[in-house]
Amino acid sequence: GIQVEQSPPDLILQEGANSTLRCNFSDSVNNLQWFHQNPWGQLINLFYIPSGTKQNGRLSATTVATERYSLLYISSSQTTDSGVYFCAAAYGQNFVFGPGTRLSVLP
Amino acid sequence: NAGVTQTPKFRILKIGQSMTLQCTQDMNHNYMYWYRQDPGMGLKLIYYSVGAGITDKGEVPNGYNVSRSTTEDFPLRLELAAPSQTSVYFCASRDGIAYEQYFGPGTRLTVT
Repeated sequence: GIQVEQSPPDLILQEGANSTLRCNFSDSVNNLQWFHQNPWGQLINLFYIPSGTKQNGRLSATTVATERYSLLYISSSQTTDSGVYFCAAAYGQNFVFGPGTRLSVLP
Repeated sequence: NAGVTQTPKFRILKIGQSMTLQCTQDMNHNYMYWYRQDPGMGLKLIYYSVGAGITDKGEVPNGYNVSRSTTEDFPLRLELAAPSQTSVYFCASRDGIAYEQYFGPGTRLTVT
């Protein structure tokens, strides 16, 4: 089956810094989603992005389906950005999640 | 529009007990999913359904059963609970065209 990898596994930032999170997938996918899991465990939809670039405030995402990767950019990070970021690749009817990137933003 | 709701929020089971985790969505989505998330890990697919009356196994189905008698509801049944089933369980849904999943708040289950 498809494999989904994320890097880096852990990231510590000072408030105000920028970061890039990467998601690689091993096969062609129907779609890709990015989620933020906050410290209370809720999964929050960030982007639904099969290809191209989308922006939402300080966050943006780019998926290059032909090269099998997606990037999540966080600019001017805030402490509320802390948590785990997951990408999920849509494959057939289902989704395969990556292992996540744990982000800690320090004040 | 409540989205995806799950009950209960928390539950403690003794080894060998059974329970049903409830999941309901009000978006008229055909596709529904059950995932488990072990501490510090990503989500793994347990079962999924592409519509009422149709279910199929995911990556980790052993020890679980599902049914889908209506579009709205997708309960997950644990028979003979084991400590290895201690986890957070998430339900999700999507429509038949877009692959955008919407998640419920999760159920935290402890088996002791």
